[in-house]
Amino acid sequence: DAGITQSPRYKITETGRQVTLMCHQTWSHSYMFWYRQDLGHGLRLIYYSAAADITDKGEVPDGYVVSRSKTENFPLTLESATRSQTSVYFCASTQGANEQFFGPGTRLTVL
Amino acid sequence: SQELEQSPQSLIVQEGKNLTINCTSSKTLYGLYWYKQKYGEGLIFLMMLQKGGEEKSHEKITAKLDEKKQQSSLHITASQPSHAGIYLCGADRDNNNDMRFGAGTRLTVKP
Repeated sequence: DAGITQSPRYKITETGRQVTLMCHQTWSHSYMFWYRQDLGHGLRLIYYSAAADITDKGEVPDGYVVSRSKTENFPLTLESATRSQTSVYFCASTQGANEQFFGPGTRLTVL
Repeated sequence: SQELEQSPQSLIVQEGKNLTINCTSSKTLYGLYWYKQKYGEGLIFLMMLQKGGEEKSHEKITAKLDEKKQQSSLHITASQPSHAGIYLCGADRDNNNDMRFGAGTRLTVKP
């Protein structure tokens, strides 16, 4: 299917476990982004990538790892999940200084 | 603290009424984006403003960026229940897609 997809849509995990959230886009957009959305904080940028093998830290990168071996995929890994990482995670993509297209989100709960 | 301040945090209006949401930055913005989010869903792009004094309209929604490129407003004319949702402003900090978002304004439109 065309567009930007995220998986899983819902995830419950335990403190200390590793979790990977997947993001896939079919437009061959250069830029991809990971955000987290929390009540009171709005949407905050975790990491972004300008192209395959190029990634940069955003506003709140601590505790997260990203990779971009292929243009269309941008997985986000929580190496040792903490309760403070309970959030809704959004992936987005864009071709340049244009609108970003957002995925449907992944709701992550860390117990 | 948010780099982008949105006001009000929430807004309840009667159907048919006009309303305005504001977004203010302490820094000059390279690009200002308005998005709408329905509860539990991803963000939908509304408009992008780049030039000081720029104004764009789509259907009943008008967005403006002031001459100094530090403040934007989103105005909805004759609101409808379909306008309900969370409105977020976002800005490119350094013209390199390092995005920051406001905390959002939750709009409720009463029929």
